[in-house]
Amino acid sequence: NAGVMQNPRHLVRRRGQEARLRCSPMKGHSHVYWYRQLPEEGLKFMVYLQKENIIDESGMPKERFSAEFPKEGPSILRIQQVVRGDSAAYFCASSPVRALGTEAFFGQGTRLTVV
Amino acid sequence: AQSVSQHNHHVILSEAASLELGCNYSYGGTVNLFWYVQYPGQHLQLLLKYFSGDPLVKGIKGFEAEFIKSKFSFNLRKPSVQWSDTAEYFCAVTPPHNAGGTSYGKLTFGQGTILTVHP
Repeated sequence: NAGVMQNPRHLVRRRGQEARLRCSPMKGHSHVYWYRQLPEEGLKFMVYLQKENIIDESGMPKERFSAEFPKEGPSILRIQQVVRGDSAAYFCASSPVRALGTEAFFGQGTRLTVV
Repeated sequence: AQSVSQHNHHVILSEAASLELGCNYSYGGTVNLFWYVQYPGQHLQLLLKYFSGDPLVKGIKGFEAEFIKSKFSFNLRKPSVQWSDTAEYFCAVTPPHNAGGTSYGKLTFGQGTILTVHP
């Protein structure tokens, strides 16, 4: 029973390039959450998605960031025209359809470095 | 808005010492509470959780936490730490399922506490 899978584990991008981060939730999970961990800080919520729907994107920067969770395939967090301040660890978590009384399971994260 | 505060950014202990990490939250209702641990280079792992019932919660690896509603606290404890407990520890909170709305399931994390245990 595979856990939450994120890839790549490490990603290096030059300023102005695009970064695509992938998250495959655990089997049977249709809720996905993305969090960002900036250096020296705790995890901050970015976006909450269900299959084909964005439920809550209150933590997403207004520009350059987008997320999707298509009917088939992984959830994608996309960062356009990256800047140095985007360097962080990005974690994905998933939970079951009926998440009452359960917790979210986290992936190992993608560490993005913008040079 | 919810917020979670962890009192110590970095704690340094010797093996066999006792541990208590503070966590306070602000939320105008009943919450679900969690402690996660992140070992170097690894993903977050759940240590323990509190949803309801006995406010003293036992977790994995000998950790426990006590929910004190009147103090809005959920402190993590371990009687005797080991070198392998060196990691970063995060307290987190979500609203209960019956809070409804889009915030359900969304975790609000504290800033994290780095624990270093010397052999």
